[in-house]
Amino acid sequence: KAGVTQTPRYLIKTRGQQVTLSCSPISGHRSVSWYQQTPGQGLQFLFEYFSETQRNKGNFPGRFSGRQFSNSRSEMNVSTLELGDSALYLCASSFQGGSGNEQFFGPGTRLTVL
Amino acid sequence: GIQVEQSPPDLILQEGANSTLRCNFSDSVNNLQWFHQNPWGQLINLFYIPSGTKQNGRLSATTVATERYSLLYISSSQTTDSGVYFCAVLTGANNLFFGTGTRLTVIP
Repeated sequence: KAGVTQTPRYLIKTRGQQVTLSCSPISGHRSVSWYQQTPGQGLQFLFEYFSETQRNKGNFPGRFSGRQFSNSRSEMNVSTLELGDSALYLCASSFQGGSGNEQFFGPGTRLTVL
Repeated sequence: GIQVEQSPPDLILQEGANSTLRCNFSDSVNNLQWFHQNPWGQLINLFYIPSGTKQNGRLSATTVATERYSLLYISSSQTTDSGVYFCAVLTGANNLFFGTGTRLTVIP
């Protein structure tokens, strides 16, 4: 079974631009979560989608948004990019979500904001 | 939110040595996972272990949920074990809270 895939793997943007990242979960998994990793803040939860609905959200500004499609693929968007948005963005999928499900991560998208 | 602390923050070992990494958490959890982050940033699943003990080759893990800690054991370490090890816990909602990691360096 194929793992979680993320595209693109690397991205360079300038301040003020917007960016869209994509995540395809493991086949059959319905929950997709997004995390941001920075050297200063570590790994932080952004949001979770399940059956095309945002089910849970972390403490990030409204510039960070996402969506999930009927095939469970998910996208996250960051508008009006800031230098501090430079980070590794990781997506994780789990079968159904909820407290009993193991999460599996994709390879990440490394975003650099200049 | 829940606090997750890992120790030690850094660990340097000679190849062949054994090590124990610790993860403490501040509240009851429904799930605990251990990950190894490779040099390219991907998180590799090691264990899904909300309680009890599991073993996978040279690695094993024990979670004592009632005392709010988990241990990851690495035996006969190899240079390929180098990297950052994270524990992450899950409470009611489906989001993982990560520790700050243990950076392991195994020297030949």
